[in-house]
Amino acid sequence: SQTIHQWPATLVQPVGSPLSLECTVEGTSNPNLYWYRQAAGRGLQLLFYSVGIGQISSEVPQNLSASRPQDRQFILSSKKLLLSDSGFYLCAWSETGAGDSNQPQHFGDGTRLSIL
Amino acid sequence: AQKITQTQPGMFVQEKEAVTLDCTYDTSDQSYGLFWYKQPSSGEMIFLIYQGSYDEQNATEGRYSLNFQKARKSANLVISASQLGDSAMYFCAMRGMTTNFGNEKLTFGTGTRLTIIP
Repeated sequence: SQTIHQWPATLVQPVGSPLSLECTVEGTSNPNLYWYRQAAGRGLQLLFYSVGIGQISSEVPQNLSASRPQDRQFILSSKKLLLSDSGFYLCAWSETGAGDSNQPQHFGDGTRLSIL
Repeated sequence: AQKITQTQPGMFVQEKEAVTLDCTYDTSDQSYGLFWYKQPSSGEMIFLIYQGSYDEQNATEGRYSLNFQKARKSANLVISASQLGDSAMYFCAMRGMTTNFGNEKLTFGTGTRLTIIP
């Protein structure tokens, strides 16, 4: 069966420090991968998605970036964190294939990021 | 562009009663998919149920069913015989079925916080 791992679960970082959140998927090949951010009490905002190695699409301009160095690895990064980067970050995967819209996205457990 | 609207920020329901969570959507796509997710206080997003726009019957998954009214562009989630463990945030989401790159993206609503009262 497929599993998704996301770490760390909790992170407290000072303003201006770098960030690296990692997400890996097991039990599937060539998944679509996604990074979302959820502000407290709000819905999910799609940040990045990837349909293959090295293929990253950004949904909102920001100081965050994403990379997909391996098929089942998705990394969210920042060189200098801002206070506004605080939130709950969720990684997700789905089966690949255009038109497979009945395939749900499966989420990791999330990372709670606090910027001080 | 796709848009999901959930007009109930919070709901309180007595245990064992049925509850309906509202979701309306807007899209120009001819075919699309609708999803409901549950987010407990621990944070993980749990997939509950899916409805395709061309599905003739309403989707059901155990105690969850989806009241799909295509002409009204609504996809309400019905939870029968609610339990204390149903207390959580619930999100409605949709995905278009275009062939464009990135068609797998989900658009989420702002969610409804459901509290089950013993």
